[in-house]
Amino acid sequence: GQQVMQIPQYQHVQEGEDFTTYCNSSTTLSNIQWYKQRPGGHPVFLIQLVKSGEVKKQKRLTFQFGEAKKNSSLHITATQTTDVGTYFCAGQGQAGTALIFGKGTTLSVSS
Amino acid sequence: NAGVTQTPKFQVLKTGQSMTLQCAQDMNHNSMYWYRQDPGMGLRLIYYSASEGTTDKGEVPNGYNVSRLNKREFSLRLESAAPSQTSVYFCASSGQGAWEKLFFGSGTQLSVL
Repeated sequence: GQQVMQIPQYQHVQEGEDFTTYCNSSTTLSNIQWYKQRPGGHPVFLIQLVKSGEVKKQKRLTFQFGEAKKNSSLHITATQTTDVGTYFCAGQGQAGTALIFGKGTTLSVSS
Repeated sequence: NAGVTQTPKFQVLKTGQSMTLQCAQDMNHNSMYWYRQDPGMGLRLIYYSASEGTTDKGEVPNGYNVSRLNKREFSLRLESAAPSQTSVYFCASSGQGAWEKLFFGSGTQLSVL
């Protein structure tokens, strides 16, 4: 079945440093979504990528979807303490099928 | 709008007991999902319902049953709880498009002793 792998599992940075998490799928994806979960909270949708090679930005966050639509990355520039949490990628195969989540990357930031 | 509402927020069961987790959404979404979250394991899909009247197994369905009661409500039942089912359970819903984002409830923390 479809598998979505995400690395690293944990990342600790100093405030102001950059952070990147990577996501790889065993199969070609129709789209990939990114979610953020704050400690003690529930996952919250950040963004969806659909097109091959797509790049989207949200302030300090940059999301990329690979040319083959099998990998994606999330890059945060100049991390802040408010960026703390777990970031999940979630891939969807054929349209209408359920999202499969990666195991997440937990980011901690020290000031 | 309340979004996705889950009850209860916390539950402690003894091995062998049964219980039902309730989930309701007020966004007129077609699809609803149950995930479990365990440390280091991410979010794993238990069951989902693409539309009212249909349910399908996800990655980890064993030990669970679901009911799509109507378009708003999707319940998850543990018939005979086991310690391995200790987890945080999230309900989610999504709209009727082919590629829709998920809206999650606040979760149920379940401990089975």
